[in-house]
Amino acid sequence: GAGVSQSPRYKVAKRGQDVALRCDPISGHVSLFWYQQALGQGPEFLTYFQNEAQLDKSGLPSDRFFAERPEGSVSTLKIQRTQQEDSAVYLCASSPGQAYGYTFGSGTRLTVV
Amino acid sequence: EDKVVQSPLSLVVHEGDTVTLNCSYEVTNFRSLLWYKQEKKAPTFLFMLTSSGIEKKSGRLSSILDKKELFSILNITATQTGDSAVYLCAVNSGAGSYQLTFGKGTKLSVIP
Repeated sequence: GAGVSQSPRYKVAKRGQDVALRCDPISGHVSLFWYQQALGQGPEFLTYFQNEAQLDKSGLPSDRFFAERPEGSVSTLKIQRTQQEDSAVYLCASSPGQAYGYTFGSGTRLTVV
Repeated sequence: EDKVVQSPLSLVVHEGDTVTLNCSYEVTNFRSLLWYKQEKKAPTFLFMLTSSGIEKKSGRLSSILDKKELFSILNITATQTGDSAVYLCAVNSGAGSYQLTFGKGTKLSVIP
């Protein structure tokens, strides 16, 4: 597609519920990143994929967070047993390579109640 | 730990004013500095800077990097209400995954 597409746009989850957030990057983009943006803060790195390989997951805040990109295109960020502190906008970005700026999606706003 | 600090955190100006947004950084292995504009949710890419002293320009926006003093500025001349947004500065430290470390952003409000 023309841009990075994320779904759903908004998600309300009850505490303890599992959620799955989807990212459809720009076709052909090798690199894919997930970021978490709390209100009033800059985005914070969660994880990075190069094609289907998850090369860096150092930013994932706990083992409740899991990301995959099995065929090197669409990626899913899964959060198990959601907590209130997980409430944030989750941004996905893709890039054709290391020397280029990223293109961000519009994000998924997750609210845990 | 890599750190990016932006100032001011917020700014209110009148249309037509010129503004300068600041970004200072401390990173272990600098690769590039990027500026983004965030109006609703998706940060939109503005500039990527890798070399000191070379100004990048796009219309009324320009940016420059000083790698010796570890900072960058983003200038917006003749501001318009459509420039109202959060401006994010990020540094790519090249620490393997090419992740970006972001500042908290500067919220710019341009009033008519």
